[in-house]
Amino acid sequence: NAGVTQTPKFQVLKTGQSMTLQCAQDMNHNSMYWYRQDPGMGLRLIYYSASEGTTDKGEVPNGYNVSRLNKREFSLRLESAAPSQTSVYFCASSGLARGVGNQPQHFGDGTRLSIL
Amino acid sequence: LAKTTQPISMDSYEGQEVNITCSHNNIATNDYITWYQQFPSQGPRFIIQGYKTKVTNEVASLFIPADRKSSTLSLPRVSLSDTAVYYCLVGVPARQLTFGSGTQLTVLP
Repeated sequence: NAGVTQTPKFQVLKTGQSMTLQCAQDMNHNSMYWYRQDPGMGLRLIYYSASEGTTDKGEVPNGYNVSRLNKREFSLRLESAAPSQTSVYFCASSGLARGVGNQPQHFGDGTRLSIL
Repeated sequence: LAKTTQPISMDSYEGQEVNITCSHNNIATNDYITWYQQFPSQGPRFIIQGYKTKVTNEVASLFIPADRKSSTLSLPRVSLSDTAVYYCLVGVPARQLTFGSGTQLTVLP
């Protein structure tokens, strides 16, 4: 039972390089999310996709782009990496909320990204 | 968006009950309260969610007073493996949830 799978787990980039972080979920969830977590901090939402074919900005979208490739996959791209983007990146997914409340978000184990 | 305030850290001993309180003074009528747990090098994991009064599941209880301006996560008989960061989130839908810095719970032997 894989849940949310992120690749790669670790990556080191040089400033200015580009990179795509991959995320896939096997729970047939409608919504997917990308967060970043800096040391000692909580998670901050970068982008989310409420359903296949839609994407919206979160709290810290600058320097990132996303693609909701299909219902399973949601990728995050850094076009020109900067040292300030050194962080741990988490992908999450959640099912369609029925009525009120939120369906729990299911998280991957993260991608640890260092930019030199 | 409702802002939450939690203690930065708490210590407890194995076998004790731990209560972590979260303040959310400007919670909106439609907002739900959700708690997540995060271990080092892992993504957060959903623990419990509630709207009012008391909610209980197999791992925790969530107490919410009538005014809903705070909530308390209760972990019964903690063990060393409960050492983690606990996040209180308030809002709906999920895309509006904000993870603050959380509470670092350390369980001591």
